[in-house]
Amino acid sequence: AQSVTQLGSHVSVSEGALVLLRCNYSSSVPPYLFWYVQYPNQGLQLLLKYTSAATLVKGINGFEAEFKKSETSFHLTKPSAHMSDAAEYFCAVSSSGTYKYIFGTGTRLKVLA
Amino acid sequence: DTGVSQDPRHKITKRGQNVTFRCDPISEHNRLYWYRQTLGQGPEFLTYFQNEAQLEKSRLLSDRFSAERPKGSFSTLEIQRTEQGDSAMYLCASRAGGYSSTDTQYFGPGTRLTVL
Repeated sequence: AQSVTQLGSHVSVSEGALVLLRCNYSSSVPPYLFWYVQYPNQGLQLLLKYTSAATLVKGINGFEAEFKKSETSFHLTKPSAHMSDAAEYFCAVSSSGTYKYIFGTGTRLKVLA
Repeated sequence: DTGVSQDPRHKITKRGQNVTFRCDPISEHNRLYWYRQTLGQGPEFLTYFQNEAQLEKSRLLSDRFSAERPKGSFSTLEIQRTEQGDSAMYLCASRAGGYSSTDTQYFGPGTRLTVL
């Protein structure tokens, strides 16, 4: 069975500091991985996705993630946090067959002025 | 492309009442998903449609829950005899056809249900 684990339900960074949100996956088949962002009372917006074309994936708003098979990880990073990055971030894996998503429990990012 | 829309955005109901939510996917997206998100958790899969056919249901979807997509376009999710534990955000997502796990699901804004 496929699953994802997000370490750290809350992360706080100072404005301008590096953002690192952790995601580890478990999958018996090559995984397809996604990062979504959710602002309060809104749906989910895709940040980026790993499709096996390249291990370093660039997304919107300056975010990127690196797929590391040896570590079964797909951590999300951004070099310099902005106040507008404060939101909840979800890592997800797409299951085979129906392609439903299996989400992690989320990481709430707080950006301090 | 106007995105996925959901109606209503908020619903407050009393325990025991029935509620129905609607989802309009991106036009020409033949795959549609429903998820439930409770406070502090990631979305959990409820059910999936390919065109009008409901192809998978989660164990979360008890006999009080039913979903339809009668013409392969919009979908409805009904909860009968609501319980306080049904309070959650109900999210709808759609994706284009095809057989690639890499195809993106596009999410609607969700319907927040509060059961009193």
